[in-house]
Amino acid sequence: DADVTQTPRNRITKTGKRIMLECSQTKGHDRMYWYRQDPGLGLRLIYYSFDVKDINKGEISDGYSVSRQAQAKFSLSLESAIPNQTALYFCATSGVTDTQYFGPGTRLTVL
Amino acid sequence: EDKVVQSPLSLVVHEGDTVTLNCSYEVTNFRSLLWYKQEKKAPTFLFMLTSSGIEKKSGRLSSILDKKELFSILNITATQTGDSAVYLCAVAPGGGTSYGKLTFGQGTILTVHP
Repeated sequence: DADVTQTPRNRITKTGKRIMLECSQTKGHDRMYWYRQDPGLGLRLIYYSFDVKDINKGEISDGYSVSRQAQAKFSLSLESAIPNQTALYFCATSGVTDTQYFGPGTRLTVL
Repeated sequence: EDKVVQSPLSLVVHEGDTVTLNCSYEVTNFRSLLWYKQEKKAPTFLFMLTSSGIEKKSGRLSSILDKKELFSILNITATQTGDSAVYLCAVAPGGGTSYGKLTFGQGTILTVHP
């Protein structure tokens, strides 16, 4: 079984809809991250959490919110999706080192 | 603001060739540099480098860091079609509010033809 899972894997939605992407991990890591990836721009950090009570904005947090429901679960919400949020979204986790482990990604399309 | 620049952005080679991918960085308080390989979806970890001049090696892949000149290289020898992927470089800052965050470069797209 994968250590970091994401649901859904693909999602097509319409402008203005609320969307939630979920991430679960079995690695026992405290730190979790949400990134988006766009062609030619690498991975950009949206939000990160170093423990259940710690939530921090990344470089591109506008239009997104997160919830850390438990050590193992970190969800990303788009309150009112817009077309330029069409991207590949990754969840990642890390332990005591800088190495981050990524989930399989969610491909989101906003029409 | 931390910055990571990778070059070339894309590279096409034939099986058996040797390739060198470059990563230069600017970071306020350097802690480590990481390389990832991204094939179809999730990036997978290759190397983490913290000290200058010490080569990390795994099979045909190797990497080295130069903290004075602020860059790293990833070498792949005897390339195979399975090496075709996007290679991502990231830096981790040391202290303060940036601790634990990674800044990624744009990636290098490597295509290996048979």
